[in-house]
Amino acid sequence: KAGVTQTPRYLIKTRGQQVTLSCSPISGHRSVSWYQQTPGQGLQFLFEYFSETQRNKGNFPGRFSGRQFSNSRSEMNVSTLELGDSALYLCASSGPGLGYNEQFFGPGTRLTVL
Amino acid sequence: QKEVEQNSGPLSVPEGAIASLNCTYSDRGSQSFFWYRQYSGKSPELIMFIYSNGDKEDGRFTAQLNKASQYVSLLIRDSQPSDSATYLCAAEGGKLQFGAGTQVVVTP
Repeated sequence: KAGVTQTPRYLIKTRGQQVTLSCSPISGHRSVSWYQQTPGQGLQFLFEYFSETQRNKGNFPGRFSGRQFSNSRSEMNVSTLELGDSALYLCASSGPGLGYNEQFFGPGTRLTVL
Repeated sequence: QKEVEQNSGPLSVPEGAIASLNCTYSDRGSQSFFWYRQYSGKSPELIMFIYSNGDKEDGRFTAQLNKASQYVSLLIRDSQPSDSATYLCAAEGGKLQFGAGTQVVVTP
């Protein structure tokens, strides 16, 4: 079974631009969570989607948004990029009924904001 | 104050010894607790979860939970150089909150 895939793997943007990251969960997984990882703040929860609905949201500004499609693929968008948005963005998927007990992470997208 | 606290380390452990990692959490509503291992440059991978007070063993790993003290720990027995990684503790109270991680270095 293929794992969680994320595209692109690396991205360089400049301040003020916007970016869209994509995540394809493991086949059959309907829950997708997004995280931001930085050396200073560690791994921080952004949001979780289940069956196209946002189920939980972390403490990030409204510039960070996401959505989930009917095939469970998810996208995350960051508008008006700031230098502090440079981070590794990780997506994770969970199987039905298993919650975080079976959460698998993708390889991440490394975003650099110049 | 972060909701999940861990010592950042590094925790240096001789090969074959027991590594003991600790984690405290502030949200008493947290119900489930998770330990992830993250190798340098890689994504986190789940190694254990625990819901109930007491111990849970899986191979060389033992997770311990004490909800009254809001304390979770992970023991790694017979530590191997391949166990050298950062270990992340996470607590679920609706959403998953991660600690900053403890770096473990197993020395031959």
